[in-house]
Amino acid sequence: GESVGLHLPTLSVQEGDNSIINCAYSNSASDYFIWYKQESGKGPQFIIDIRSNMDKRQGQRVTVLLNKTVKHLSLQIAATQPGDSAVYFCAEPNTNAGKSTFGDGTTLTVKP
Amino acid sequence: DTAVSQTPKYLVTQMGNDKSIKCEQNLGHDTMYWYKQDSKKFLKIMFSYNNKELIINETVPNRFSPKSPDKAHLNLHINSLELGDSAVYFCASSQELGKTQYFGPGTRLLVL
Repeated sequence: GESVGLHLPTLSVQEGDNSIINCAYSNSASDYFIWYKQESGKGPQFIIDIRSNMDKRQGQRVTVLLNKTVKHLSLQIAATQPGDSAVYFCAEPNTNAGKSTFGDGTTLTVKP
Repeated sequence: DTAVSQTPKYLVTQMGNDKSIKCEQNLGHDTMYWYKQDSKKFLKIMFSYNNKELIINETVPNRFSPKSPDKAHLNLHINSLELGDSAVYFCASSQELGKTQYFGPGTRLLVL
């Protein structure tokens, strides 16, 4: 079966540093991936997505990298701020199955 | 205006009781979901509905019964609550099955 997993359950960075959150997936037929951010006490929120025909996609302070050869994607956050502290999930939408498979989540803590 | 809303936000109840959680979305989406998030932040899909029809039932005990009176609402009724049901339950919606999801704020259920 398919699985999506994050490499590290927790990540602690200094304010202003860059953060990199990693995710591995198993379904090579996936056509796109999504990153969600879940702040304390709230539901997950969409951050950015990337199609499988892309290697890189940039948003505001965030960049997604996709390496299909090793089935790996990463979320990079530039100049991490205290407001970035949250749990980050990668997700693999599967329109045929009618659901998204969520990774286990990485808790990012930003130290002032 | 809140896109996806859930009530109640907190629910504390005794084992054996029956309770309901309500969800409404005003995004005009066709698909709605229920997720369970445990204390380790794992997000597990429970149900998905598309146009009021059940699409996914992920081996959830039949004590859990979803009901979709219309496309904008997906309620979750739980019979004979057990200690292991304690978790945060999230409702979500998406424009199409398996696409980017918009989550509600969650319902924190504690069974004593």
